[in-house]
Amino acid sequence: QVRLEESGPALVKPSQTLSLTCTVHGGTMNYGQYYWGWIRQYPGKGLEWIGNIYYSGRTFYNPSLARRVSLSVGTSYRQFSLRLTSVTAADTGVYFCARVIWSGSPHSFDLWGQGTMVAVSS
Amino acid sequence: QSPLTQPASVSGSPGQSITISCTGTTDEVGTYDLVSWYQQHPGRAPQLVIFDVGKRPSGVSSRFSGSKTGNTASLTISRLQADDDGDSYYCCSYTHSRILVFGGGTKVTVL
Repeated sequence: QVRLEESGPALVKPSQTLSLTCTVHGGTMNYGQYYWGWIRQYPGKGLEWIGNIYYSGRTFYNPSLARRVSLSVGTSYRQFSLRLTSVTAADTGVYFCARVIWSGSPHSFDLWGQGTMVAVSS
Repeated sequence: QSPLTQPASVSGSPGQSITISCTGTTDEVGTYDLVSWYQQHPGRAPQLVIFDVGKRPSGVSSRFSGSKTGNTASLTISRLQADDDGDSYYCCSYTHSRILVFGGGTKVTVL
């Protein structure tokens, strides 16, 4: 049974870089037709898609974050990571990693991590 | 403001059916049959309940069904239960820009 787990610092200072890792337990990124993605949720509010990555490294980013965000694949295809630069308080929220169904285009998140809360504050 | 428009809340009595709408444009919902719906219990991660407009993942209750007409997708929850109270639902669609957008979310109240 594949399970996803986010990890990283819970507190990041303004203007610094937020870095999170998603570990794929019980499977690898290069098995099956899936992309892998990040989604965030502002406190008490809705969801925002951040980006998706394929095991080959192909990426799609939310245009509103594209200048600050990068996704990467870890060794052995068991981890993928998120880097968000120049963070502000507006980047505070819960960050989820997820597996993305791909049928020509990556489009639905069928497996989610439990989420990790990140606060941006000095 | 979210790209896809959902009602903030929907309510119904136990045993009834409720429908949550998700309105977009021809840039996404109206063109692509790649609309998905997510259930979120308070304090938990979202879970996929519908994908490709009307398909249910394995293990998801048959109480959930999805459809689409024009630029509006809909999620219907039948046989409403007390346990459904407080859950939130989000729609998501693939877009012509090859990105994904979410609705603002709908909270369910069981009367």
